[in-house]
Amino acid sequence: NAGVTQTPKFQVLKTGQSMTLQCAQDMNHNSMYWYRQDPGMGLRLIYYSASEGTTDKGEVPNGYNVSRLNKREFSLRLESAAPSQTSVYFCASSELGPMGTQYFGPGTRLLVL
Amino acid sequence: QQQVKQSPQSLIVQKGGISIINCAYENTAFDYFPWYQQFPGKGPALLIAIRPDVSEKKEGRFTISFNKSAKQFSLHIMDSQPGDSATYFCAASFSGTYKYIFGTGTRLKVLA
Repeated sequence: NAGVTQTPKFQVLKTGQSMTLQCAQDMNHNSMYWYRQDPGMGLRLIYYSASEGTTDKGEVPNGYNVSRLNKREFSLRLESAAPSQTSVYFCASSELGPMGTQYFGPGTRLLVL
Repeated sequence: QQQVKQSPQSLIVQKGGISIINCAYENTAFDYFPWYQQFPGKGPALLIAIRPDVSEKKEGRFTISFNKSAKQFSLHIMDSQPGDSATYFCAASFSGTYKYIFGTGTRLKVLA
């Protein structure tokens, strides 16, 4: 039981490049989330998926797209990376929607030059 | 109105002391208040959570105190240990939404 896994762990991009961050959970959770964490800013919700087949914008969705591939997997795509997207990205999942415990992955550290 | 304000930004406590972290919110529609603990290089993990129908919740050395009228809640860590050194985030959410609003975090260091 790995919980929430994320790949890659670390990535360096040049401005304008694209990439997809992968997230998978093996807890059979319905809801999944993508956050970014920046110093002094806490965790900010980028996108979430309440259930398989649905996605919605969070607090800071600009510059990102997501895909809920199936119940297990939720990916985050940066189409044209910008230095402002340098951050640590966390994926999370939960069983009971917003009131349930959110389980976080180990994070992906992204540097955009 | 959706902000959760957390203080202090950093905290240094002697081993055995009490660590206190405070959060304040404005939107009275918030009805779930979790605290997350994050160690360096790891994702946050739920520590303890409270709903506004109770004023206090205790789990081991960790206690949440909730003041509904003041719209404040706090985390108390009793008998703080070096292993408690981590960053702590408070959060709030609304029923019927999937959005947690996180505080900005408190970096706690417990000196041995």
